[in-house]
Amino acid sequence: EAAVTQSPRNKVTVTGGNVTLSCRQTNSHNYMYWYRQDTGHGLRLIHYSYGAGNLQIGDVPDGYKATRTTQEDFFLLLELASPSQTSLYFCASSWGGRGSDYTFGSGTRLLVI
Amino acid sequence: GQQVQQSPASLVLQEGENAELQCNFSTSLNSMQWFYQRPEGSLVSLFYNPSGTKQSGRLTSTTVIKERRSSLHISSSQITDSGTYLCAMAPMNTGGADRLTFGKGTQLIIQP
Repeated sequence: EAAVTQSPRNKVTVTGGNVTLSCRQTNSHNYMYWYRQDTGHGLRLIHYSYGAGNLQIGDVPDGYKATRTTQEDFFLLLELASPSQTSLYFCASSWGGRGSDYTFGSGTRLLVI
Repeated sequence: GQQVQQSPASLVLQEGENAELQCNFSTSLNSMQWFYQRPEGSLVSLFYNPSGTKQSGRLTSTTVIKERRSSLHISSSQITDSGTYLCAMAPMNTGGADRLTFGKGTQLIIQP
């Protein structure tokens, strides 16, 4: 079954630490996205990509890097984690331009202490 | 400013009552979607509805572009409908990407 799989499900790190969140999709979708969800803000787009090697900036990119290594794999990197990056992170994929097949992963809860 | 506004922020109903959730957007849109977020956090796509009316079981979505609004109607609500409902729009001129802007959600609680 086509899906979007995120890892880890939960992560605790210290301020200044490095964190990598992973996402793999088996939907054969072109586009992949990283969102964060915070109380009072809803989901906000961090970065997205339309294929291997491509990266596009979203609405809240500061403090985040991302890399799309293959059609299936999209990574979010926090190189100097801060408490303000404590959040619930979602990865998603879609064909692009159609919308009806938007698929989310189960989310990663990140706590920066 | 906020491009997508949802109302109400929360709604408590008795089982069997109908729910009406609203979403208003401030820019020209390319697409409108509704998602359901389960209490444990996972997200499920309900409707892709850029215009008109779509129905799936007890759920009906209506988008009126010229009025810049979309609604989600849940008939005969059930306890299992409890959770958060999110609307999201993709504005025009984003190329092929479905880069969505989300509302803050409506938390729905269905009581027995």
